[in-house]
Amino acid sequence: AQKITQTQPGMFVQEKEAVTLDCTYDTSDPSYGLFWYKQPSSGEMIFLIYQGSYDQQNATEGRYSLNFQKARKSANLVISASQLGDSAMYFCAMREYEQGGSEKLVFGKGMKLTVNP
Amino acid sequence: DAGVIQSPRHEVTEMGQEVTLRCKPISGHNSLFWYRQTMMRGLELLIYFNNNVPIDDSGMPEDRFSAKMPNASFSTLKIQPSEPRDSAVYFCASCWDRGTNEQYFGPGTRLTVT
Repeated sequence: AQKITQTQPGMFVQEKEAVTLDCTYDTSDPSYGLFWYKQPSSGEMIFLIYQGSYDQQNATEGRYSLNFQKARKSANLVISASQLGDSAMYFCAMREYEQGGSEKLVFGKGMKLTVNP
Repeated sequence: DAGVIQSPRHEVTEMGQEVTLRCKPISGHNSLFWYRQTMMRGLELLIYFNNNVPIDDSGMPEDRFSAKMPNASFSTLKIQPSEPRDSAVYFCASCWDRGTNEQYFGPGTRLTVT
């Protein structure tokens, strides 16, 4: 079963508008972490924001915020005031802890955001 | 800090040849991860090390793949013999295994096996 679901294959947004990128996750572990990464066309993976499962408040990092709805198992990324440089692939990921102490970062399939001038 | 360093950035090789990808993690990070990214399968974790010890290699596709971390500042991923289906972008990432544990990725190695 897919653990991270990103249903939007692609989105378009006008420059300076806000945009929400959807992410739902599936886990039975009470302790987990959620991450968003950006991958521009140049290929590197850039860490954007982190939300811990026990965090009481939604994470924010500059223009990025994470709308964490634990009961719904969703961790949507909100980008305020979009910029042309925000055009990229965006990946949602979840860190799970497994037996023996190992951990894994499981990535969604990503979604492509295009910011139009 | 220079970030995670990977070499080579691009590798083109013929089927059957040995390929070695290299990674230098961020200084002070004690966990290192190797990922493979393809259009079909997305980002897959191949193996990860903690304090230079392989912790989980369940993602390594088959015996042709091997990874080592001889010290805290260097890791290799080796494919022998390489096959066309190994063509992908291989990322190395590192993190400090405390706190939020966000992983920092290297620029990747684009491998093409002809």
